[in-house]
Parts: sequence; structure tokens; C-alpha cells
Amino acid sequence: AQSVTQLGSHVSVSEGALVLLRCNYSSSVPPYLFWYVQYPNQGLQLLLKYTSAATLVKGINGFEAEFKKSETSFHLTKPSAHMSDAAEYFCAVTINAGGTSYGKLTFGQGTILTVHP
Amino acid sequence: GAGVSQSPRYKVAKRGQDVALRCDPISGHVSLFWYQQALGQGPEFLTYFQNEAQLDKSGLPSDRFFAERPEGSVSTLKIQRTQQEDSAVYLCASSLRESNSPLHFGNGTRLTVT
Repeated sequence: AQSVTQLGSHVSVSEGALVLLRCNYSSSVPPYLFWYVQYPNQGLQLLLKYTSAATLVKGINGFEAEFKKSETSFHLTKPSAHMSDAAEYFCAVTINAGGTSYGKLTFGQGTILTVHP
Repeated sequence: GAGVSQSPRYKVAKRGQDVALRCDPISGHVSLFWYQQALGQGPEFLTYFQNEAQLDKSGLPSDRFFAERPEGSVSTLKIQRTQQEDSAVYLCASSLRESNSPLHFGNGTRLTVT
């Protein structure tokens, strides 16, 4: 079975500052990893995904994440925070297991990002 | 093109009532997933359909939960004899293919059981 741990349920940054949201995973086989963003009262939107290609993955809205197997981590970063980045972020993992790869995700508990002016 | 549509947006049920939650996936999407998101938690997998076939229902928490997708398009999640612990947001997601295809989520149905 796989699992995800997001360190820090709340992260607060100033506008223009670096955003760093931490995610560590556990998986007995090579994982597929994802970051999703959820705005209030909305569904989840995919930010980026790692699927065993390049370890540094670039996503939408200037976010990127780096897969580090030795650290079992997939931290999400953005060089300069914008007010519109305020939302809840979820890290998720799945394994390549036939037809349910990509869909049967195990999510972390989420990190609420607050951006101060 | 429309996204994944869920209805109702909000549902309040008295304990013991049955509820039905509807999901309209993106047209042509083969795969459909239901997730349950409790307050302050990440979504948890409930069940998966490939066309009309329910291939995985390992996440359904009890036999009070039932899902169907009879024609391989619209799906309904039914909860019988609702309990307070069923209060959550129920998210539906669809994807184009059976695998290697990203999920598109609906905005969810917020169920409150009083």
C-alpha cells in the first residue's frame, strides 16, 4: 500500500516570497505522484504530475516539484507567491497498476496556503 | 466543453434518510471515480467504473453505500439510512481513458446529515 504525508497543515508566506509545500510518500513500487490545488467550494485541479520521466516537473501557474527517491519526497515550490495562490494543496500518490493507474489516488491531508500582501 | 457536473451542490438529510448524488462526467470519458472528502481531510477513494462496469469498490465504507453507472455515462452514488459520519463532500472525477489519463474533478456535493 502507498501513503502520503504532508508536513504542515498551514503555510503562510508573504506575496513575492518562496512557496515550499512538503510531501513525503511511501510506496513499495515506483510511484506516480501528483499535486492538486483546491479553491474554496471547488473540485481539485491538477497542478503537475511525476510519472517516472524527468525528476523535476513543471506545472501550471509557475509551480514545480522535484522527485527525490532517496528522500521519498516530492516537494512543491514556486519562486514568488501571488495572492491568487491562496488555496489548499494536496499531494497524491498512485502506482502503475493496470487500468486504475492515475485514478485510484491516495491523498495527503492537505496544506492550506495563505498569502499575505 | 462542459466539465464534470455534480448535483445537487448541497444536500441536507436527516439521519436515516436515503440520498442519491448524481455525476455527469465529461462526454466520452471512459473512467469515473467517486471520492469522499471529510472536513479538513484529503479525498478518499470510494469506487471506480470503467464504462458501465464497477471494477473497484474497495473504498465504499459500508453496505449502505451503492454506486451505479448503468449506461456508462451518468453515475449515481446512493447512501441508504444516512448517518452523521456520512457528512462530507462527495467528489466525482472522470478521465478519458482506462489508464494514463489525468482526472477531471467536479465541484462536489456537500452532504450534511443532521
